[in-house]
Amino acid sequence: GIQVEQSPPDLILQEGANSTLRCNFSDSVNNLQWFHQNPWGQLINLFYIPSGTKQNGRLSATTVATERYSLLYISSSQTTDSGVYFCAYRGGSTLGRLYFGRGTQLTVWP
Amino acid sequence: NAGVTQTPKFQVLKTGQSMTLQCAQDMNHNSMYWYRQDPGMGLRLIYYSASEGTTDKGEVPNGYNVSRLNKREFSLRLESAAPSQTSVYFCATAVGSGGTPLHFGNGTRLTVT
Repeated sequence: GIQVEQSPPDLILQEGANSTLRCNFSDSVNNLQWFHQNPWGQLINLFYIPSGTKQNGRLSATTVATERYSLLYISSSQTTDSGVYFCAYRGGSTLGRLYFGRGTQLTVWP
Repeated sequence: NAGVTQTPKFQVLKTGQSMTLQCAQDMNHNSMYWYRQDPGMGLRLIYYSASEGTTDKGEVPNGYNVSRLNKREFSLRLESAAPSQTSVYFCATAVGSGGTPLHFGNGTRLTVT
């Protein structure tokens, strides 16, 4: 079946540090998204990135579709970056279905 | 501009009771989705509706039914609630069913005792 694996499962950082989160997927990709779930449970769409690289402030994301992975970079982390980061993926064989990984729990300490 | 609105925010049910979770969107999106989130499991798709008048099963549809009432509204019904359905339920929408970003509501926390 479809596999979406995220690593690391947990990450603890000091404010100001940089980090890289990874998402591996098992099928050809036509839809890859990154989400942030804040401590209040709200899910915010960070990037829609089936291929290539995008940047939004301190965050950037890269998807290498041919090698079936995506990376989320967080630079100069802040305490407000804490929460769970999910990648979600839709492959060519799963019309309409977006599968989520189990997430990376990020904690940023002041 | 409310975006995606879910009601209720919290609900406690006894085993065997029924209820309907409501989702409404004012974004004029075609596709709507219901997910459940359990600790350590990420989000799992229950049902989705690619467009008004169509619905389809996701990964975990058993025990649920859905209705796409019109373009704006997509409801999720539990006919006979079970403790295994204790979860946080999220509704999401997208412009289309293909490569477009998902937008989530704030969730409904359901406890079944």
